[in-house]
Amino acid sequence: EIVLTQSPATLSLSPGERATLSCRASQSVSSFLAWYQQKPGQAPRLLIYDASNRATGIPARFSGSGSGTDFTLTISSLEPEDFAVYYCQQSSTFGPGTKVDIK
Amino acid sequence: EVQLVESGGGLVQPGGSLRLSCAASGFTFSSFAMSWVRQAPGKGLEWVSTISGNGGSASYADSVKGRFTISRDNSKNTLYLQMHSLRAEDTAVYYCAKEGLPRALLYYFDFWGQGSLVTVSS
Repeated sequence: EIVLTQSPATLSLSPGERATLSCRASQSVSSFLAWYQQKPGQAPRLLIYDASNRATGIPARFSGSGSGTDFTLTISSLEPEDFAVYYCQQSSTFGPGTKVDIK
Repeated sequence: EVQLVESGGGLVQPGGSLRLSCAASGFTFSSFAMSWVRQAPGKGLEWVSTISGNGGSASYADSVKGRFTISRDNSKNTLYLQMHSLRAEDTAVYYCAKEGLPRALLYYFDFWGQGSLVTVSS
């Protein structure tokens, strides 16, 4: 069973700053990795699939990269609505999440 | 517009049973696998179960295997999760989620319902 590790657990940044979130798989998953955003009281929202493809309606400031075991979600310039928890997912496994909060 | 609307959650005693439903609209329901994903209070996401588009194949997390049953009625565009022998650790918001690609299984989830809270407590 694949294990996903996300780092850091919490990222404290200011609006306008760049956010870099990491997801590491315990074995190669090729490019089969997705990223989700979840705000308090809301369902998760798909951001990225196949490691680097933005889902419909997702702003261009969100980008994904990586393959094999190491993946990155980058938010180029944080907007106030981007402060949330971010999860990576591969098949039936979710990572523990990274919380992006306001510094 | 894709919509997924869960119902059936509530308070149940340990050892009890509950059935969740997820009414789907806005897409060809029978072409897509569907899943249940849960989130315990203050915790992360946990995959629970997935069923193929025609209902012929299902898989379960070890934590619910033998206690939960996923099913679907494609004539009613509805997904179900029958839960038996409920435990305190099953307390969570249960989300139904649509597969991102036709005929794919556990690839990615492109739409999620709003969630249904299940509380297991005496």
